[in-house]
Amino acid sequence: DSGVTQTPKHLITATGQRVTLRCSPRSGDLSVYWYQQSLDQGLQFLIQYYNGEERAKGNILERFSAQQFPDLHSELNLSSLELGDSALYFCASSVDSSGGYNIQYFGAGTRLSVL
Amino acid sequence: GIQVEQSPPDLILQEGANSTLRCNFSDSVNNLQWFHQNPWGQLINLFYIPSGTKQNGRLSATTVATERYSLLYISSSQTTDSGVYFCAVESYNQGGKLIFGQGTELSVKP
Repeated sequence: DSGVTQTPKHLITATGQRVTLRCSPRSGDLSVYWYQQSLDQGLQFLIQYYNGEERAKGNILERFSAQQFPDLHSELNLSSLELGDSALYFCASSVDSSGGYNIQYFGAGTRLSVL
Repeated sequence: GIQVEQSPPDLILQEGANSTLRCNFSDSVNNLQWFHQNPWGQLINLFYIPSGTKQNGRLSATTVATERYSLLYISSSQTTDSGVYFCAVESYNQGGKLIFGQGTELSVKP
């Protein structure tokens, strides 16, 4: 158990819908990362938060947004869903945002299926 | 941006065999981690190893930062070692995001 909790484990929805994925980081970790794993793109970084503030953005679509709350849990919102958004979405957390304190631990993922 | 290449892409072993997985990266790194993704999709931390050598049971890893590569050694492989092994790096001045290689898919046969 990595200590990172993601809910739900599975999500099945229809095109055009909106979903929210939730992540609770390990106790004491201030940084939260979101990654997307798809068959064609592999594992890709989406967005990073550190202590409530957005720190970095990757290949995140405009239809996607995220936030980190004062209790440090994070939510990833996906809207106007398309078939191509079907993927495994991971949350990771680390103590700090770079270097030796950035050992990232991953949650079990949320498997999103858009039908 | 930094490129991460893993080889081989696929590997089939008999139980008990040894293997070496390689990760090449195109620039200096601040962080390098090896992960095992099991058949259930979980990403399990194996090593944090931006340089040097570490061992954990049957697994060991070596990173030669000056030559920009890392190796993961699996000895006396077991069926439970099956899955995909990923190398991921954090580049200097690129924030904390990890850039993943495409992985090596390992299948260990009984």
